[in-house]
Amino acid sequence: DIQMTQSPSSLSASVGDRVTITCRASQGISNYLAWYQQKPGKVPKLLISAASTLQSGVPSRFSGSGSGTDFTLTISSLQPEDFATYYCQKYNSAPRTFGQGTKVEIK
Amino acid sequence: EVRLVESGGVVVQPGGSLRLSCAASGFTFDDYTMHWVRQAPGKGLEWVSLINWDGGNTYYADSVKGRFTISRDNSKNSLYLQMNSLRTEDTALYYCAKDEGVGSWGAFDCWGQGTLVTVSS
Repeated sequence: DIQMTQSPSSLSASVGDRVTITCRASQGISNYLAWYQQKPGKVPKLLISAASTLQSGVPSRFSGSGSGTDFTLTISSLQPEDFATYYCQKYNSAPRTFGQGTKVEIK
Repeated sequence: EVRLVESGGVVVQPGGSLRLSCAASGFTFDDYTMHWVRQAPGKGLEWVSLINWDGGNTYYADSVKGRFTISRDNSKNSLYLQMNSLRTEDTALYYCAKDEGVGSWGAFDCWGQGTLVTVSS
């Protein structure tokens, strides 16, 4: 099975900072990569699908890139409401594996 | 409005069985692949199982294969997860999720609020 590895596992950042989270697949998955945001006690929310397609209503400060095995989620200017845990997920085939998550905390 | 509502989560003893349900509304249920995803307390997301639009294809995570069975009733707009031989490590919040793809693989664009399964003696 394809493994999904996110880095870092956690990070501390300040409001206004540019934040980048990476996700690596153990085998190529083309662009079948999604990013989710989960706030404490809340349901995961789809941010980006097809590696770079922003979901409707998601602020433009979020962007995704990559193809094959290496992907990134970038928040161009971190806002207070962005402090959360972010997960990548492959969906080219089953199992639909998630990365282990990256927790973005306030510095 | 697309809505998914899970039910059936309870406290159950190790070795026991449980059936979770997910009621869907606001979309054409039988057009979409559906999933179960779980999250153990304080842990990350773990994909559990999927079922395609007509129930003809199912897949499972290795951790539940042979113990869990996913099914659906399109006439009732409902998804199910039969959980047998439960273990303490199955303790988690179980989410029902909708695949965004129609006739193809997609990300999960709608999630229920989850139902809590606790396996404990």
